[in-house]
Amino acid sequence: QQQVKQSPQSLIVQKGGIPIINCAYENTAFDYFPWYQQFPGKGPALLIAIRPDVSEKKEGRFTISFNKSAKQFSLHIMDSQPGDSATYFCAARERTDKLIFGTGTRLQVFP
Amino acid sequence: EAGVAQSPRYKIIEKRQSVAFWCNPISGHATLYWYQQILGQGPKLLIQFQNNGVVDDSQLPKDRFSAERLKGVDSTLKIQPAKLEDSAVYLCASSPGITSTDTQYFGPGTRLTVL
Repeated sequence: QQQVKQSPQSLIVQKGGIPIINCAYENTAFDYFPWYQQFPGKGPALLIAIRPDVSEKKEGRFTISFNKSAKQFSLHIMDSQPGDSATYFCAARERTDKLIFGTGTRLQVFP
Repeated sequence: EAGVAQSPRYKIIEKRQSVAFWCNPISGHATLYWYQQILGQGPKLLIQFQNNGVVDDSQLPKDRFSAERLKGVDSTLKIQPAKLEDSAVYLCASSPGITSTDTQYFGPGTRLTVL
């Protein structure tokens, strides 16, 4: 009930490609879904977030798609760049206000 | 604006030893979080402070872990005695707000290796 399942574990794309990272959850009480980006040796940084009353949110090249009925959400990175190479975590906020993180997706973008 | 500072950055100890980590949050941030990030996993919340009071410590192994937030600013996380499974990166984060929908700003973490 408290898990957020993230896939794939790793992803390799060429520059300009559109990597897609997927997350799924079971707990319908989750009410806030952020994505974090983490570079090696650094802490995670908030990238973009969405609430379940919205089906899509876009910020720059990053888009979250949210499917409430399927209890799934995904991150799309348009026109990906080598500088986007990082580990991406989805998360969900539970009723106690705690963030539950997915297991992470390591993205590599090759020139 | 200075970010969240953590020290040390790396620590290697033997099992059954004790260790302490320090965190200095962004100035003025009310809420401070400690997370444990095991290799290949996402961060897991250990404890959340609002000012100098504990909001959530339900996932803190209280038989060996302790944490305090001094005067609502700096915080220390201690492990005594350490076990092999405590090897992880310990992340501190702070937030200007009081809910997890407010942006959390993470420090670089302390990588702990228990031998």
